[in-house]
Amino acid sequence: KAGVTQTPRYLIKTRGQQVTLSCSPISGHRSVSWYQQTPGQGLQFLFEYFSETQRNKGNFPGRFSGRQFSNSRSEMNVSTLELGDSALYLCASSGGTSYNEQFFGPGTRLTVL
Amino acid sequence: DQQVKQNSPSLSVQEGRISILNCDYTNSMFDYFLWYKKYPAEGPTFLISISSIKDKNEDGRFTVFLNKSAKHLSLHIVPSQPGDSAVYFCAASGETSGSRLTFGEGTQLTVNP
Repeated sequence: KAGVTQTPRYLIKTRGQQVTLSCSPISGHRSVSWYQQTPGQGLQFLFEYFSETQRNKGNFPGRFSGRQFSNSRSEMNVSTLELGDSALYLCASSGGTSYNEQFFGPGTRLTVL
Repeated sequence: DQQVKQNSPSLSVQEGRISILNCDYTNSMFDYFLWYKKYPAEGPTFLISISSIKDKNEDGRFTVFLNKSAKHLSLHIVPSQPGDSAVYFCAASGETSGSRLTFGEGTQLTVNP
């Protein structure tokens, strides 16, 4: 079974630009969650999508948004990039209940200059 | 408010010995706990999980212990191998948090040959 894939793997943007990251979950998984990893804040939950609906949201500003398509693939968008948005963005897929293991993709390394 | 804490940023052990990684939590609503291993520039890899109805779960060289009264869990790796060198994260979720995982800060494990 193929794992979680994320594209692109690396991205360099400048302040004020916007960016879209993509995640394809494991086949059959309907839940996709996004996390941000930074050296100072660790792994922080951004949001979760389940069956095309945002089911859970972390404490991030509205510049961070996402969506999920009918095939469970998900995209995350960050508008008006700031230097502090530089991070590893991780996507995880699962069956969707509280007691399912989440399987992570390799991440997208975003650098904002 | 750090609801999941890993108080040891690093741990160094000799090959063949036991590695014990610790994690504390404060939120009584957490009832499912997971351990992940992470190498640089990769996504976290799921290792083992435990639900609050158990106090121990084993999978090969990995055993997780849960002490609910102390709100403490630990991961034992026996015997430790150099390939186990990585950052280990504990994570927690609860029925009310859906698929959202709350992570600790991570512990860098180094296994010396």
